[in-house]
Order: sequence, then structure tokens, then C-alpha cells
Amino acid sequence: DIQMTQSPSSLSASVGDRVTITCRASQSISSYLNWYQQKPGKAPKLLIYAASSLQSGVPSRFSGSGSGTDFTLTISSLQPEDFATFYCQQSYSAPRTFGQGTKVEIK
Amino acid sequence: EVQLVESGGGLVQTGGSLRLSCAASGFTFSSYAMTWVRQAPGKGLEWVSAISGSGGSTFYADSVKGRFTISRDNSKNTLYLQMNSLRAEDTAVYYCAKDLGQYYYDSSGYYHYWGQGTLVTVSS
Repeated sequence: DIQMTQSPSSLSASVGDRVTITCRASQSISSYLNWYQQKPGKAPKLLIYAASSLQSGVPSRFSGSGSGTDFTLTISSLQPEDFATFYCQQSYSAPRTFGQGTKVEIK
Repeated sequence: EVQLVESGGGLVQTGGSLRLSCAASGFTFSSYAMTWVRQAPGKGLEWVSAISGSGGSTFYADSVKGRFTISRDNSKNTLYLQMNSLRAEDTAVYYCAKDLGQYYYDSSGYYHYWGQGTLVTVSS
């Protein structure tokens, strides 16, 4: 199975901050990397697919980049509604493993 | 509008069995692979099992292989997860999710639609 490792596991940031979350795969996954946002008690929400494609309806302050083994999710200007846990997921091969999550908290 | 509604969760004893259901609507169910993802309390997301649109191909995480069985009834637009020999570590919210296409092994796939989840608690 492909292992996905996110860093950091948690971070504290203020509204308006630029936030970057990284995700590393244990082997090359080309650009088959998706990002999800999850708020407490809710199902995950798709933000980014294929490493850099913004899902319809997702604010443009979210962006993704990377290929191969190293990927990044960036929030250009953190908004109050963005405080949540973010997960990367590879779709290169089954099982489509998730990273362990990055919790973004209010500073 | 796509809707996925899970049911069947509850409290079960260690070693017991439970069957989860996921009722789908708003799309041609048989044209899409479906997946179960779980989340233990306070933990991250864990991919559990997937099934192709036709039901002819399935895949399981090592943690549930031999104990869980995924299936679907395309005439009823319903996905199932039969869980046997349950362990404390199976305690989690179980989500069903719709894939992008017919095959769960399609690399371009992702999960745009999710159910609300159903809680399974395994206790002695």
C-alpha cells in the first residue's frame, strides 16, 4: 500500500494568514492526489483533485500543487470558515490511502 | 441531487456482526463505483472497501479483509457492508462515498459525494 504522510499534524494560524500543508507519498503517484476538508461531525468535502484542479464551488483561495511524491495545499488568506482538518488522498492505486490529517486551529 | 444515506450502525458486542446500508439517489447507481471509508473517534480517515459499478470487482483494506464483505444491489440503488467478527478497533463512523466513474481502481477517481455517516460501536 502507498503511505501518505502529511505535515504538520496541526498548526495554529490567524485569519488572513497564508497556510501551507504538505503531503508526501511513499512512492511516485504522478498527479493522482486529492485534498479534502473535514469539519467536526461532518463528512469530508472535496477541495482539490488531480493535485491542482479546484473542485467547482471551492473558493479560489485554496490551491494545490506538486507531482511525483511531494504535494502542497495552500490557503492564500485563511478565513474563519477554513478552520478544519485537511486530508490528502492518493488515487494512484487501490487502496486509496489517506494522510493522517492536518488540523488547522485558530491562533 | 445526489444523496447517499447510510443506516445500520449501532452497538454490537465483540465478535458480533452488523450490516451497513447506503441508499443512493440522484444518479445512475450502477454506473459508479462505491467506497466505504471509516473514521475512528478522534482519528483520521481510513479507506475500508470498494466495489465496481457492476459489482464484479471488489477490494478490501488489509485491516478488514476476510471479515468484511462489500456488495451492492443495483436494482435497489443500495450499497452494503457486511461486517463480521467485529473488534473494538472497528469502532468508527462509516461513510459511503461515490466514485468519479465505474471503477475504483481508476487513478483519476475521487470522492465528490459522501453520506452523513453511521456510527458503529463495538464493545465487550
